[in-house]
Amino acid sequence: DTAVSQTPKYLVTQMGNDKSIKCEQNLGHDTMYWYKQDSKKFLKIMFSYNNKELIINETVPNRFSPKSPDKAHLNLHINSLELGDSAVYFCASSPTSNSPLHFGNGTRLTVT
Amino acid sequence: GQQVMQIPQYQHVQEGEDFTTYCNSSTTLSNIQWYKQRPGGHPVFLIQLVKSGEVKKQKRLTFQFGEAKKNSSLHITATQTTDVGTYFCAPSNTGKLIFGQGTTLQVKP
Repeated sequence: DTAVSQTPKYLVTQMGNDKSIKCEQNLGHDTMYWYKQDSKKFLKIMFSYNNKELIINETVPNRFSPKSPDKAHLNLHINSLELGDSAVYFCASSPTSNSPLHFGNGTRLTVT
Repeated sequence: GQQVMQIPQYQHVQEGEDFTTYCNSSTTLSNIQWYKQRPGGHPVFLIQLVKSGEVKKQKRLTFQFGEAKKNSSLHITATQTTDVGTYFCAPSNTGKLIFGQGTTLQVKP
């Protein structure tokens, strides 16, 4: 199936831990994104990569570090997790930066 | 920076009633996209509007882009329970999609 797939679907961890979320797309898209959706459903862009190159880096703490080993993958590593990091994180991809987004199913991160 | 206001935040309707959500921007937009997110799901692309005054229809959904390209609306005629979800507008101005706050629609059968 062609899709944007991200793992894990759920992530429960304690404050201070380090965790990673993986994302892969087989749509052949050049651009990939990470979005954070809070409890009020507000969707905020965090990062955008185009062909492995970082093009958007919103005001996100340095504890968040994206890594794109190739244009089909965009992973998100989070250091020293805090309670406020609890949210649903969506990976997305698009053919170009202005094109419609294809979202993954999301990773629900709960920090206790 | 670019700001987007989407109203209302919540709407409860009886099945069969109409529904409209509005998206207003403080700046002129190059295009605007609309997405739907079902409860527990992920946002799914519905449509993209590019031209001033553009109107597009998808079955019971009507999307409109304002003449000044600063606002847009989504109208659903005769809502059904399958329309339940959160509808987001996502204007683009600088090559970056900024999502509105979303309008969550509840439909009572």
